[in-house]
Amino acid sequence: DIQMTQSPSSLSASVGDRVTITCRASQSISNYLNWYQQKPGRAPKLLIYAASSLQSGVPSRFSGSASETDFTLTISSLQPEDFATYYCQQSYSSPQTFGQGTKLEIQ
Amino acid sequence: EVQLVQSGAEVKKPRESLRISCKGSGYSFSSYWIAWVRQLPGKGLEWMGIIYAGDSETRYSPSFQGQVTMSVDKSINTAYLRWYSLRTSDTAMYYCARGGTGTTHYGMDVWGQGTTVIVSS
Repeated sequence: DIQMTQSPSSLSASVGDRVTITCRASQSISNYLNWYQQKPGRAPKLLIYAASSLQSGVPSRFSGSASETDFTLTISSLQPEDFATYYCQQSYSSPQTFGQGTKLEIQ
Repeated sequence: EVQLVQSGAEVKKPRESLRISCKGSGYSFSSYWIAWVRQLPGKGLEWMGIIYAGDSETRYSPSFQGQVTMSVDKSINTAYLRWYSLRTSDTAMYYCARGGTGTTHYGMDVWGQGTTVIVSS
């Protein structure tokens, strides 16, 4: 299985901050990397697919980038509704695998 | 509106069987993959496997192969996840999610609301 290592596991930040979350794949996954946001008691929501494509309806403050096996989710200016847990997921091969999650908390 | 609606919460005993459902609407159900994702209490997301609604081609995660069975009834736009003998360790939230059409590479863009399964003696 392809391992996805996400960092940090938790992060405290303030409204307006620029935040970066990183995900590293254990092998090449091309650009088949997706990012999800999950709020407590809610289903996950797709934010970014194919490493850098913004899902329809997702605010443009969210962006994704890739460099070989390293992937980054950036939130340019945190809004109150962005405090949640974020997961990366590789969809290059089965079994598709998730990172362990990054909990973004209010500082 | 494109949506997936899952069946309600279940409370079962160990060794009992269970089938939960996921009904799609607002799109061409048989043209898309449906994935199942487990979330243990307080934990992260686990990809269980994926089934193509058009022909029932199925890919299981090795972690779940033999533990669950995925199926679809495209005549009623519904996917199922079945257990034949539940364990207490199956206690979790289960989500269905829509994968791509023809490909599984581009993420899961529509999610069901989740089905809570509690297994306790």
